[in-house]
Amino acid sequence: DTAVSQTPKYLVTQMGNDKSIKCEQNLGHDTMYWYKQDSKKFLKIMFSYNNKELIINETVPNRFSPKSPDKAHLNLHINSLELGDSAVYFCASTPSGGPQETQYFGPGTRLLVL
Amino acid sequence: AQSVAQPEDQVNVAEGNPLTVKCTYSVSGNPYLFWYVQYPNRGLQFLLKYITGDNLVKGSYGFEAEFNKSQTSFHLKKPSALVSDSALYFCAVGAKAAGNKLTFGGGTRVLVKP
Repeated sequence: DTAVSQTPKYLVTQMGNDKSIKCEQNLGHDTMYWYKQDSKKFLKIMFSYNNKELIINETVPNRFSPKSPDKAHLNLHINSLELGDSAVYFCASTPSGGPQETQYFGPGTRLLVL
Repeated sequence: AQSVAQPEDQVNVAEGNPLTVKCTYSVSGNPYLFWYVQYPNRGLQFLLKYITGDNLVKGSYGFEAEFNKSQTSFHLKKPSALVSDSALYFCAVGAKAAGNKLTFGGGTRVLVKP
């Protein structure tokens, strides 16, 4: 069974469109994260939720809006997509969000904005 | 602010030879240090971590890392590299002073040649 899953795996879209990426974890964890990996493979945190509450919100454009309907799901909605949004987006989870906890990553969603 | 440096973009090693991937960090307080590996078109997989205790940490697939507080380093090592170890390796640091945030290094690509 997949511990952290993301849909879709690939997403190709036009500039200006709105799209969503979904993430689900079946590990029973309380904390979930969104990371962005750019073309140079640099990985940076975007958001973190603990039991549906936003706890980390990095300097991300307002066009990005995370939503957590329950602690097993964390979705990412992106409005007015721009070329620079092209990247791989990873979801991750940890038991309770402590900095010493191992993060479990999903397989990634490859977004290409044309 | 915490940071991680991986000084080598790529490490080339012959199969059967020792492999070392370097990592240095900067953090306030006691660090929690991690190594993750990313295979092509996959998510990050946990290899090992240092939380406290023994400075030498053993992890998955025969990898180990040594925490050196005076040199603020956490180098990843494997005594005998395999072709299948070819991947992208990330060092990461967390600390209570930085909240729930994990900061990743830029990654080091390892190429093991037969």
